[in-house]
Amino acid sequence: GESVGLHLPTLSVQEGDNSIINCAYSNSASDYFIWYKQESGKGPQFIIDIRSNMDKRQGQRVTVLLNKTVKHLSLQIAATQPGDSAVYFCAENNYGQNFVFGPGTRLSVLP
Amino acid sequence: GAVVSQHPSWVICKSGTSVKIECRSLDFQATTMFWYRQFPKQSLMLMATSNEGSKATYEQGVEKDKFLINHASLTLSTLTVTSAHPEDSSFYICSARADRANTEAFFGQGTRLTVV
Repeated sequence: GESVGLHLPTLSVQEGDNSIINCAYSNSASDYFIWYKQESGKGPQFIIDIRSNMDKRQGQRVTVLLNKTVKHLSLQIAATQPGDSAVYFCAENNYGQNFVFGPGTRLSVLP
Repeated sequence: GAVVSQHPSWVICKSGTSVKIECRSLDFQATTMFWYRQFPKQSLMLMATSNEGSKATYEQGVEKDKFLINHASLTLSTLTVTSAHPEDSSFYICSARADRANTEAFFGQGTRLTVV
């Protein structure tokens, strides 16, 4: 399940199930979005990106959906594996300015 | 993807000393580099944006005299934490982008700074 509190929001899924991580972004003018994966003690790792002229983009086992009407971004991971356990951040970018990161979601994959 | 190397990975320093962190783009020229700070269980907070050959642009609340940023070449940016104090202990991460348009930013592996 998903929980929000003083700690990082956590999503727990069974190995093999699909994961959906959500992100609400703040700037309606943002036109480029990236999902990053961060493992403990490491820098963020690029997963997938999407531009504002698209509403869906697929990669290997991952899909990003963009809903500009409600300023919402989601990351879908198919057949979640233990190696997918990490913190996932969405980042929004506005006309080449800096990236603004969301609060992050910790994904825990249960055996 | 492109490689950004950050050095050192971990540093422990005494309170009052200065620490320099390097960020290098290994296989591309980085027009823009970003420096972030990340506290435990929190998101990345942008500290400053630097473009090669010009002064860095600092975010509100970040002391430019304390966090000195130099972006002297298209492959190297440095962050110097001057007169470090325990509250400066954090995870510092750099990222680099090849051009000013909307493209992916590549991240270094981060530097864990512990001030004792």
